[in-house]
Amino acid sequence: GAGVSQSPRYKVAKRGQDVALRCDPISGHVSLFWYQQALGQGPEFLTYFQNEAQLDKSGLPSDRFFAERPEGSVSTLKIQRTQQEDSAVYLCASSLLGGPLRNEQFFGPGTRLTVL
Amino acid sequence: GESVGLHLPTLSVQEGDNSIINCAYSNSASDYFIWYKQESGKGPQFIIDIRSNMDKRQGQRVTVLLNKTVKHLSLQIAATQPGDSAVYFCAGNSGGYQKVTFGTGTKLQVIP
Repeated sequence: GAGVSQSPRYKVAKRGQDVALRCDPISGHVSLFWYQQALGQGPEFLTYFQNEAQLDKSGLPSDRFFAERPEGSVSTLKIQRTQQEDSAVYLCASSLLGGPLRNEQFFGPGTRLTVL
Repeated sequence: GESVGLHLPTLSVQEGDNSIINCAYSNSASDYFIWYKQESGKGPQFIIDIRSNMDKRQGQRVTVLLNKTVKHLSLQIAATQPGDSAVYFCAGNSGGYQKVTFGTGTKLQVIP
């Protein structure tokens, strides 16, 4: 079965440009997470969806960042007016269940965003 | 807030030897902890987890130890193999819906 996929794998943007990053979670997974990973650092939480509901967006660094999951499956992370400090790998993860139950998150390969 | 960090940024181990990767955490309210392995160009891969009411958990060639008294977590890899070369992250889940806080990572280099 397919795992979590992300596209594009690499994105180069000029400062000020808008970008959209796509995540295809494992089919049937309720929970979806976005993380930002700077070079040499651990991933940092951005936002969380349970089905189509965005239950936590406390990790989004600014109002230039926006995420959606309109049908409860595919998710898009959009960054408006990109800045150089947005350069990072953006990771998507999904897990089967929602709520407080502990269950494994499956990560995609990430999208490496470079802002020039 | 929760803070999860690592003692050592890199670790070099001879093939066949055992590896021990350490991690400290600050939030005593964490529900459970997870170790992830991340190879170059890939997303983190779940290795093993442990609940806060446990001291030890074993998997295939891996053991996680949790010392709540000193807020310390370790990952032991037995008979380290070249395929174990990667960056290892500890992460803590502070309850709720599975929000995870990662440490900065330890790079494990296996010397053939």
